[in-house]
Amino acid sequence: DADVTQTPRNRITKTGKRIMLECSQTKGHDRMYWYRQDPGLGLRLIYYSFDVKDINKGEISDGYSVSRQAQAKFSLSLESAIPNQTALYFCATSDRVSYGYTFGSGTRLTVV
Amino acid sequence: GESVGLHLPTLSVQEGDNSIINCAYSNSASDYFIWYKQESGKGPQFIIDIRSNMDKRQGQRVTVLLNKTVKHLSLQIAATQPGDSAVYFCAENIRGYSTLTFGKGTMLLVSP
Repeated sequence: DADVTQTPRNRITKTGKRIMLECSQTKGHDRMYWYRQDPGLGLRLIYYSFDVKDINKGEISDGYSVSRQAQAKFSLSLESAIPNQTALYFCATSDRVSYGYTFGSGTRLTVV
Repeated sequence: GESVGLHLPTLSVQEGDNSIINCAYSNSASDYFIWYKQESGKGPQFIIDIRSNMDKRQGQRVTVLLNKTVKHLSLQIAATQPGDSAVYFCAENIRGYSTLTFGKGTMLLVSP
């Protein structure tokens, strides 16, 4: 099994719909992140959490919310999806000591 | 904030050649750097890292060089193979910041 699992892998949704992307990890890491990847723009940070009671906004948090349900689970929600949220979304984890991230395989989201 | 960037968006090499992928950074407070490899349809994978108190670090077929004077980072891949074809991007940790900053990536294409 993958260390960082994202579900779903692919999703097509309609404008205005609420959608949740889920991430779970078996690394035992405290820190979890949600990134968005767009062609030509690289990885941009949406939200991050350093423990269950800690939630922080990243550079592009508008239109998104997150929930850290447990150390191993971090979900990203789009309350009312819009077409420019079409992108590849990645969850990542890291431990307290090192800065290297372990990434999931991504969720390709299309908003029509 | 300041960002990590790359000199070449696409690098094409022949199998067996050595590849060099470059990355420029602008923040003198950056103290940790990572190279990631992202294959099509997959999440980024950690390749190698280096801290600012080092100039060079070697892994299996890969070497990272850090030139702090000109704020330049490079990834050298020896005897490049078709399986090395991917997008490579660098990331930096800026002292005082709690998350990594990612560059936009270079596509490496390896021809048989």
